[in-house]
Amino acid sequence: DAGVIQSPRHEVTEMGQEVTLRCKPISGHDYLFWYRQTMMRGLELLIYFNNNVPIDDSGMPEDRFSAKMPNASFSTLKIQPSEPRDSAVYFCASSFGQGALETQYFGPGTRLLVL
Amino acid sequence: GNSVTQMEGPVTLSEEAFLTINCTYTATGYPSLFWYVQYPGEGLQLLLKATKADDKGSNKGFEATYRKETTSFHLEKGSVQVSDSAVYFCALSPREYGNKLVFGAGTILRVKS
Repeated sequence: DAGVIQSPRHEVTEMGQEVTLRCKPISGHDYLFWYRQTMMRGLELLIYFNNNVPIDDSGMPEDRFSAKMPNASFSTLKIQPSEPRDSAVYFCASSFGQGALETQYFGPGTRLLVL
Repeated sequence: GNSVTQMEGPVTLSEEAFLTINCTYTATGYPSLFWYVQYPGEGLQLLLKATKADDKGSNKGFEATYRKETTSFHLEKGSVQVSDSAVYFCALSPREYGNKLVFGAGTILRVKS
């Protein structure tokens, strides 16, 4: 199994530019999660999907952030316009089945730097 | 609300030393508890989990016991190795929120040979 795949692994952009992060979950998984990791705030859940439908987006910081899951094998997290405070590592994770017991499998992350 | 508090790091140990990383939680109801590990440059991996009071999760020599009376889930290992150097995250999943995970701040562990 290839695991959760994220791209790009590193992104450097300038303030005001649009940034798109991509995620391919593990095949057959029905939950997909987007997290942000920073030194100041730790690991935060931004949004999660079940069967491609957004379930909880209460962690999305503001309207500049949007996430989509057009099909079971692909999701994007978009920041438009980007700001320096968006610099962080963004993780995608996926899991199978409902409930607190299900293991989430994390991708390697995208390290974003906004100048 | 739901939150997780971990001991601050970094924790620096010599190889074969005993490891304890403290974790306490605040939650409504009875959450499931997890320890995840993040090796340098990688995503998080599940290390162990426990779903109810007095359950003990264990994996790769690590173990943690779900203590409801002290709302704790401390991570222990009897003899650490250099390869255990990583960041360790304690997390809970509130039962009313399904798959949602709430993470602690993470504790850096450095093991010297």
